[in-house]
Amino acid sequence: DTEVTQTPKHLVMGMTNKKSLKCEQHMGHRAMYWYKQKAKKPPELMFVYSYEKLSINESVPSRFSPECPNSSLLNLHLHALQPEDSALYLCASSQVASSGNTIYFGEGSWLTVV
Amino acid sequence: QKEVEQNSGPLSVPEGAIASLNCTYSDRGSQSFFWYRQYSGKSPELIMFIYSNGDKEDGRFTAQLNKASQYVSLLIRDSQPSDSATYLCAVIFNDYKLSFGAGTTVTVRA
Repeated sequence: DTEVTQTPKHLVMGMTNKKSLKCEQHMGHRAMYWYKQKAKKPPELMFVYSYEKLSINESVPSRFSPECPNSSLLNLHLHALQPEDSALYLCASSQVASSGNTIYFGEGSWLTVV
Repeated sequence: QKEVEQNSGPLSVPEGAIASLNCTYSDRGSQSFFWYRQYSGKSPELIMFIYSNGDKEDGRFTAQLNKASQYVSLLIRDSQPSDSATYLCAVIFNDYKLSFGAGTTVTVRA
């Protein structure tokens, strides 16, 4: 079983709010990811952290700000979001960020922007 | 452009039958292939991974990989109503990013 824990599971925020999504993994993995998934679409990669350093930013708007305080934690800070940012946000981890490593997902955080 | 393509379905099979899901990918250098199952309103759950050509079996699931044809498939034997879900094919390309196909929705009829 995977051990990627995301909080909160549901979040409703206004367009002027500042909120954060949190993710924690207990598998000793050194790579962590944020994905965004809209309804009936596959997950889309947002950010990759490898050994606590941001290694990939898929041209995500600056209103999304990732933070990796340590190798087990990954946060996504949200500010001035738009209604179209409403989606399921998935945190994931793998041993390292390389081909051949299985990526495990958390249960996701449902975000609604009103 | 690196792509992963799946038949979007929906695929409807009777209980007890075999469900066959197909996926093709564009990058011949890809090394890692995954099948995730996603129930409605839930996150993707890894059910199979395969790295080598041939078949890999795990319970009622069999993944098949043919790198020469750039093709990976998933067979679900003795399909159960609980197998009704969207199945996502995913490939790690050389840049180690996991890319997903659009998913195939499977419905198992009781």
